[in-house]
Amino acid sequence: ELKVEQNPLFLSMQEGKNYTIYCNYSTTSDRLYWYRQDPGKSLESLFVLLSNGAVKQEGRLMASLDTKARLSTLHITAAVHDLSATYFCAVAIGGATNKLIFGTGTLLAVQP
Amino acid sequence: DVKVTQSSRYLVKRTGEKVFLECVQDMDHENMFWYRQDPGLGLRLIYFSYDVKMKEKGDIPEGYSVSREKKERFSLILESASTNQTSMYLCASRVVGDNYGYTFGSGTRLTVV
Repeated sequence: ELKVEQNPLFLSMQEGKNYTIYCNYSTTSDRLYWYRQDPGKSLESLFVLLSNGAVKQEGRLMASLDTKARLSTLHITAAVHDLSATYFCAVAIGGATNKLIFGTGTLLAVQP
Repeated sequence: DVKVTQSSRYLVKRTGEKVFLECVQDMDHENMFWYRQDPGLGLRLIYFSYDVKMKEKGDIPEGYSVSREKKERFSLILESASTNQTSMYLCASRVVGDNYGYTFGSGTRLTVV
């Protein structure tokens, strides 16, 4: 059974600080996705990582993928309050069907 | 932009009722999915459909069924609602061969009393 584990589950950080969210998964996959969810809202796609060593950056967020270690990271640089949300990683399995198996999510609260 | 529309934002149903959650997408996507989201558990796959009239069980199909008679519509059915099915339900769709993940609907928060 595929397991996708995120840590931490909850992260409270001050504005201006840096931090990393980790996503470990238990089976072979070369496609990993990061989503953001604001309270009461649906999921918004942030990054798609399609190969080993892939790195994507958007603003203060940078995501990377190491398929050999089965690890993805989401790095937050100089956090701002607007980044407060829940972040999910999801691993794709199943070939053409491409089912996504989600991690438990990381609730990020950025304090002024 | 692809739109995935879930017909109800909030629903309150009684235990034992038959409940239908509807999802419609407007971009001719082959694959459609139903997830439920619970605090501390993330999103868990209930059922998915890779084309019209095709369906497969996900990780937690017990107590649910689905229907996909038309490509744009994927329905989740709770045959006899129970309180442990109180949850947020999210529908998603994608086109085959598209690596860019899923497009999600806005969710239906179902409360079973």
